[in-house]
Amino acid sequence: DGGITQSPKYLFRKEGQNVTLSCEQNLNHDAMYWYRQDPGQGLRLIYYSQIVNDFQKGDIAEGYSVSREKKESFPLTVTSAQKNPTAFYLCASSKGTIGNQPQHFGDGTRLSIL
Amino acid sequence: AQKVTQAQTEISVVEKEDVTLDCVYETRDTTYYLFWYKQPPSGELVFLIRRNSFDEQNEISGRYSWNFQKSTSSFNFTITASQVVDSAVYFCALSGGLYSNSGYALNFGKGTSLLVTP
Repeated sequence: DGGITQSPKYLFRKEGQNVTLSCEQNLNHDAMYWYRQDPGQGLRLIYYSQIVNDFQKGDIAEGYSVSREKKESFPLTVTSAQKNPTAFYLCASSKGTIGNQPQHFGDGTRLSIL
Repeated sequence: AQKVTQAQTEISVVEKEDVTLDCVYETRDTTYYLFWYKQPPSGELVFLIRRNSFDEQNEISGRYSWNFQKSTSSFNFTITASQVVDSAVYFCALSGGLYSNSGYALNFGKGTSLLVTP
């Protein structure tokens, strides 16, 4: 079945450590997105990519980095510069880059500080 | 800037009651898209509906219905005869356009947590 796979489901980060969250989709979607969700909050956009080898910062990109070397993959690295990384991270993809396409979401990764 | 407001943080109803979740949005775009998503306790977001700004026709899907009114910038969601399985957080979202600084990524409201008790 087509879908978005995020891994791991749970992740723990030590102080000063970079960690990478994986996001893979087999929907042949062009656009991919990373969102952060804090308790009681909506989703906030970290980064998005509309095409391979291109990505743009979202509203809260500081302390994060991404790459888009393949159409199906959009990994997110939470760097040591992100001082408050504890959150639920959701990856999404959409068929086109026009706003009328619904985004499909993965199951998320919960990141915590050790 | 674009903004989505869901003023109801939490709603609690008894099974079989009808419930309406409010969504008010702000945008400078003349063409935009509105969405509703459901987030059950498991965490994944499930797409429920999409509405184009130029289509104000209300929509009904089973027990779900949506009322889109451009005059009041609202896109409200009603669940008729609620069930325990409807318990979840519901998000309203707006897709950007010409005046968005995030391409066509979604701008989410903070969500409304719905609890349906037996």
